[in-house]
Amino acid sequence: LAKTTQPISMDSYEGQEVNITCSHNNIATNDYITWYQQFPSQGPRFIIQGYKTKVTNEVASLFIPADRKSSTLSLPRVSLSDTAVYYCLVGYGQNFVFGPGTRLSVLP
Amino acid sequence: EPEVTQTPSHQVTQMGQEVILRCVPISNHLYFYWYRQILGQKVEFLVSFYNNEISEKSEIFDDQFSVERPDGSNFTLKIRSTKLEDSAMYFCASSGDRDGDEQFFGPGTRLTVL
Repeated sequence: LAKTTQPISMDSYEGQEVNITCSHNNIATNDYITWYQQFPSQGPRFIIQGYKTKVTNEVASLFIPADRKSSTLSLPRVSLSDTAVYYCLVGYGQNFVFGPGTRLSVLP
Repeated sequence: EPEVTQTPSHQVTQMGQEVILRCVPISNHLYFYWYRQILGQKVEFLVSFYNNEISEKSEIFDDQFSVERPDGSNFTLKIRSTKLEDSAMYFCASSGDRDGDEQFFGPGTRLTVL
């Protein structure tokens, strides 16, 4: 199983770009990388998923280097409502490992 | 938008009692999961379920846990004899019919064992 690490917390200001990196050194060949957002007392909410290179959707981008041993979630212009815990999830098929989570605080 | 639902939202039980947590996955999904999150900690994988059988389980998912899809719509997690350390949020999730598909999570059931 992949083991993952993330920064415990990050602070940012409204309107800034935020990049959160997850390390997954022993990621398996078939593993996908997925990022989730979680607010207190709620279930994780899907943000973005990728396998390699770069993926972009309407809310975020995901950068995955060629060795796939890390991934970076990029939130382009954060707002106060983006204050949450962000988790990377690595896995394939039916086997998944969440990272420890990064608590992002967006300040006015 | 389809969503995963879970009942109850909060369950309080006495140590040693059996509990059943219920989930209704998104209707056309084929893969189902249970996770737990102890207060203040990360989300931990418990078990995945496909084609009416367990696909993978973590070391947390020991003999006191079981899962079932009794009627084609519900997906349940049973804890046979609860311990204090089972107190946590339990999340159900489901995903579609292809590998790498995103998992949709339910709102969770908060289990408190006294």
